[in-house]
Amino acid sequence: NAGVTQTPKFQVLKTGQSMTLQCAQDMNHEYMSWYRQDPGMGLRLIHYSVGAGITDQGEVPNGYNVSRSTTEDFPLRLLSAAPSQTSVYFCASSLGTAASFDTGELFFGEGSRLTVL
Amino acid sequence: GEDVEQSLFLSVREGDSSVINCTYTDSSSTYLYWYKQEPGAGLQLLTYIFSNMDMKQDQRLTVLLNKKDKHLSLRIADTQTGDSAIYFCAETTPYNTDKLIFGTGTRLQVFP
Repeated sequence: NAGVTQTPKFQVLKTGQSMTLQCAQDMNHEYMSWYRQDPGMGLRLIHYSVGAGITDQGEVPNGYNVSRSTTEDFPLRLLSAAPSQTSVYFCASSLGTAASFDTGELFFGEGSRLTVL
Repeated sequence: GEDVEQSLFLSVREGDSSVINCTYTDSSSTYLYWYKQEPGAGLQLLTYIFSNMDMKQDQRLTVLLNKKDKHLSLRIADTQTGDSAIYFCAETTPYNTDKLIFGTGTRLQVFP
């Protein structure tokens, strides 16, 4: 079972470069989200989507773009990478709203470690 | 506002109980979750508690919720080396049910 697949697992960028982190899920989940994990700061929500064609900003959206053209895919784009975007990025999906335990369980990918020099 | 805080580190001896604490500021929180992150991996759901419950037990795990103090704890009985991981609490609120707010995470280290 694939679950949530993220690529690449590791990436090194130079300041100013752009790139896309890919995320795909095969569970037919409506909800998808991107988090970044930094030491001592836990997970912070970047962007999320409640269904195809619908996206919204999380806590730290600046410098990132997302789109959701299909239910399965939710790519995260870094427009002009900065050293402050060095982090581990996690994509997650859930069946539905977090307000119910039977739909709110988040399934995470294995993470993408990004270093910006 | 939404803010979830945890202590960063906890070290326990194998076989002892571990207690991981979490405080949150939003009194309207509905569901509270505990997630576990093993080294090099994503997070996995451990357990959850609904805001109208005080306690929930699931095998070696006991979740306690004190709504008055906005305090959540996760107790792991008979802690094993395989329990070494980062533990995150997370909350959702009635006015924004589309997302979870995660705490800072507690790194549990179990030594023999």
